[in-house]
Parts: sequence; structure tokens; C-alpha cells
Amino acid sequence: SQQGEEDPQALSIQEGENATMNCSYKTSINNLQWYRQNSGRGLVHLILIRSNEREKHSGRLRVTLDTSKKSSSLLITASRAADTASYFCATDPYQGGKLIFGQGTELSVKP
Amino acid sequence: KAGVTQTPRYLIKTRGQQVTLSCSPISGHRSVSWYQQTPGQGLQFLFEYFSETQRNKGNFPGRFSGRQFSNSRSEMNVSTLELGDSALYLCASSLGQGRNTIYFGEGSWLTVV
Repeated sequence: SQQGEEDPQALSIQEGENATMNCSYKTSINNLQWYRQNSGRGLVHLILIRSNEREKHSGRLRVTLDTSKKSSSLLITASRAADTASYFCATDPYQGGKLIFGQGTELSVKP
Repeated sequence: KAGVTQTPRYLIKTRGQQVTLSCSPISGHRSVSWYQQTPGQGLQFLFEYFSETQRNKGNFPGRFSGRQFSNSRSEMNVSTLELGDSALYLCASSLGQGRNTIYFGEGSWLTVV
């Protein structure tokens, strides 16, 4: 079963705009990871945020984590057509390699 | 260094057959986990191996099995294939000590006809 939900399920924006995706989860976690998946490909790791962190940046990516609300958000600034992909959050409530994924947000960035 | 490598990338099998998928983790990683991705169920955890021992298992029937070798390479096997087993099978690796980044391979596309 899925750990949580992602919102929105689909997002369409113009190049240069910012994209925000939200993820909610159900149980306590050790960390939360965000991944990108291009159609038919594997998952590319974007960023990991630990349960004791509130915000993390990596290039044009900004991730926040609110453990009291059991939610996280991924912000992509100045989006590009190449950012078009599905984005997944995954939590690690058990430690080790068992990740629980959300359903993903399908992002479309139009040139 | 090389990423997670999965073989084969694409395969077609007939109902009732079995299939073996292979995964080579990132060098130095001792944890290998497997996931199934389908349009209907999304990404679901199959099992995880660490130092040749299965450490976690998802809610899949016994037809799905796996193993890990001493060099950390892993294989998963699905016996008596069903049409519903058609999916993208993803392998992931990490250092396996908890709170680590988990890296995925490109996946193996399995089609059961």
C-alpha cells in the first residue's frame, strides 16, 4: 500500500515558471527522498532530507519537510522543458532499503 | 563510478514461464532492493537484501523470490508468470546502514503474453 499521497497528480506550466509538488505520508520516518522518472526510464535521485531537517536545497530544487504535518514539498524554480517527468516522494519508515512511494506528480513544462 | 545496472532491459515471456532478472549495485553498496511498477499499483516494494540475507519483504506471492550473492549482485525470479506480472521491475542499491540515499537502475521491462 502507498505511504501517502502526492498533490497535484498532474501539473502543467510554462518554461520559466516555478513548479511546486506536495507529498503527505502516514507514519513516522527516518528520511524522505524525491525522485524523478522520465517516461519508461528508471528513477533518478534528486534529494534526500532527513527527519531532523526542515529545508534543503540542490541547484534549482528546494525541498521542505514538516514532520508535525507529515508532509513535504518539492519546488523546482525556473523550470525547463527538460524537467518534464514524473516526480515521486519516498519515505523510509523502516530503515534499510524499503521505500514507500507516493503516486507521483506528472509535471509537464511547455516551451 | 558506475550506477546500478540491470539486465535485461526488455523481455517478453509467455504465461506460465519463469523469468530471472539481474542487478549489479553500485560498487561498495551492500543493500539491494527490488520494486515493481505498474500503472495501476504504482511503485511497490518487493524485497530487500543486505549481505546475502533478505531483510525486508513486501506483500507479494511466493512466486516472487530473490537472492543476493557475496559480491552484492542480486537476482530476482518470478515463476509461473501471469499477465498481471507485466511491469517495470526496478532494482535499487544503497550502503544499507539506514538513512542512506537509495539509487535506482533503469529497470527491466517485462511483458507477459
